[in-house]
Amino acid sequence: EDQVTQSPEALRLQEGESSSLNCSYTVSGLRGLFWYRQDPGKGPEFLFTLYSAGEEKEKERLKATLTKKESFLHITAPKPEDSATYLCAVVFGSARQLTFGSGTQLTVLP
Amino acid sequence: GAGVSQTPSNKVTEKGKYVELRCDPISGHTALYWYRQSLGQGPEFLIYFQGTGAADDSGLPNDRFFAVRPEGSVSTLKIQRTERGDSAVYLCASSPADRSYGYTFGSGTRLTVV
Repeated sequence: EDQVTQSPEALRLQEGESSSLNCSYTVSGLRGLFWYRQDPGKGPEFLFTLYSAGEEKEKERLKATLTKKESFLHITAPKPEDSATYLCAVVFGSARQLTFGSGTQLTVLP
Repeated sequence: GAGVSQTPSNKVTEKGKYVELRCDPISGHTALYWYRQSLGQGPEFLIYFQGTGAADDSGLPNDRFFAVRPEGSVSTLKIQRTERGDSAVYLCASSPADRSYGYTFGSGTRLTVV
């Protein structure tokens, strides 16, 4: 069965404490892997798209990487405003829609 | 518009009632998607429109759910005979063209069935 699994479910960090979030996928014909940020009461906000293994993208304190089985979202020296739920999603095969994981709820303490 | 607009932002309805949820996509975006998100879960795909037609409705859970996009812009998600299990946040997203992955989401409609 095609799956997207995110870990951990929740993560608490001290401000400045770097860490990584994981997104593993078991789908055939990956056509793109997406990272979104979601704040409470809001819709997902696009962060990155990765298309092929070895690709990396960066935005401020965030860096996303992709292998053939998983993606990592690295957060360097996080700040409290980075607190949010981070969602991973894939597009695969002939599908046009995103298939999401359950997300990682990140809390950054001051 | 500047973003994807969804109305109402909150809807409380009684079990068995009919509801309509509206999505106004970004102007010029030809692709429109509906998702449903339960607490603590990622969004779950419902239906995808390319222009006026439903290109993929494989995510609709049953025939109580229906969606239209008559003029290729605004879309309405319609739920008949609502059940308590329909309670969730319903998200709409749009993208500029088919095969484009620039999905922009609205803030959603929180539906509560009591």
